[in-house]
Amino acid sequence: DGGITQSPKYLFRKEGQNVTLSCEQNLNHDAMYWYRQDPGQGLRLIYYSQIVNDFQKGDIAEGYSVSREKKESFPLTVTSAQKNPTAFYLCASRGLGSDQPQHFGDGTRLSIL
Amino acid sequence: QQQVKQSPQSLIVQKGGISIINCAYENTAFDYFPWYQQFPGKGPALLIAIRPDVSEKKEGRFTISFNKSAKQFSLHIMDSQPGDSATYFCAASIGGGSEKLVFGKGTKLTVNP
Repeated sequence: DGGITQSPKYLFRKEGQNVTLSCEQNLNHDAMYWYRQDPGQGLRLIYYSQIVNDFQKGDIAEGYSVSREKKESFPLTVTSAQKNPTAFYLCASRGLGSDQPQHFGDGTRLSIL
Repeated sequence: QQQVKQSPQSLIVQKGGISIINCAYENTAFDYFPWYQQFPGKGPALLIAIRPDVSEKKEGRFTISFNKSAKQFSLHIMDSQPGDSATYFCAASIGGGSEKLVFGKGTKLTVNP
């Protein structure tokens, strides 16, 4: 089945540690996105990438980093500089063309202990 | 600055009733307005979308109404069912597609049997 896989579904880390969230897609989509979702806050864009080896900051990029070495993969690192990292993180991808919607994975819930 | 304002934050409807969720935007450059549906523990999924060249779009029990002069759009769910219970997000973008979406804060809909 084609889709977006985010792993793990739940992640726990100690304060001060960096943590990397995985996002893999087999839809052959060029564009990929990372969002953060907090209760009552909607989805806020962290980073996005429209092509391999290129990415742009979203609205809340501070404390996060990404890489796009392969078309199908777009990992997100939550660094120790992120002051409030506990949240639900969503990855999305999108094909070319104005009529192509963003498709979302099922998210990773990150909790900092 | 919140670019897309969504209301209400939560909504309770009886089975068979009409659910109405409203969104207002400020940026007149927005030209694509999708609605996403999200079930607990899952990623959002595109429900229906509209562009400003039409005032209404219907897909089954779901209808988007669009008022360009008022800069408002709304989602109507006819004959609401318990299975419609989910969180709904409106969004907007520039460029006619979902390249970079700005999301509302979401509406949690509960449909009572």
